[in-house]
Amino acid sequence: KAGVTQTPRYLIKTRGQQVTLSCSPISGHRSVSWYQQTPGQGLQFLFEYFSETQRNKGNFPGRFSGRQFSNSRSEMNVSTLELGDSALYLCASSSREGQGYLSADTQYFGPGTRLTVL
Amino acid sequence: DAKTTQPPSMDCAEGRAANLPCNHSTISGNEYVYWYRQIHSQGPQYIIHGLKNNETNEMASLIITEDRKSSTLILPHATLRDTAVYYCIVRVAKIQGAQKLVFGQGTRLTINP
Repeated sequence: KAGVTQTPRYLIKTRGQQVTLSCSPISGHRSVSWYQQTPGQGLQFLFEYFSETQRNKGNFPGRFSGRQFSNSRSEMNVSTLELGDSALYLCASSSREGQGYLSADTQYFGPGTRLTVL
Repeated sequence: DAKTTQPPSMDCAEGRAANLPCNHSTISGNEYVYWYRQIHSQGPQYIIHGLKNNETNEMASLIITEDRKSSTLILPHATLRDTAVYYCIVRVAKIQGAQKLVFGQGTRLTINP
């Protein structure tokens, strides 16, 4: 069964630009969460979407935004990039119901998108 | 959110059992203990979770103390591929089903040949 996929896997941008990252959840999963991982701050929760609605939000500035489509795919956008936005951006999906070897209400992560801001 | 405390690093010989401890003394009655691992900047991999009872799956075993204030993840026969950072997470109590994991610094487990 396909896992969570994220595109692109690597991205290089310059300060001031904006970027859009994409996440396709496991088939049947309706919740998608986003996390940022940096060496200094570790893994931090950005936001979570469920049925196209943002249900939970972490402590990040408004430059970080996201959305979810009717097929549960999600995108996150970072505007006016700063050097400190260089990070591994991770997406995770979950479902209230278990599916085979996948546990209910458990987040499964994708491989991440490595963003470098120059 | 209940906080967890893990040793920053541990070593284990290949083929031996790796026992990773985690303290979560402020855990609430409805909060689960989850374990994930992250191998060299890949996405975190789910390992196992539990509420009160001990749990076992094909990857590991999870032992939770009776008072639920601590737990131990056991990798029964560690291999070099088990070298990773292991995160013990107490799941934020469900608020309208919202999902959020609060990661600490984890334990860097090194399996030595």
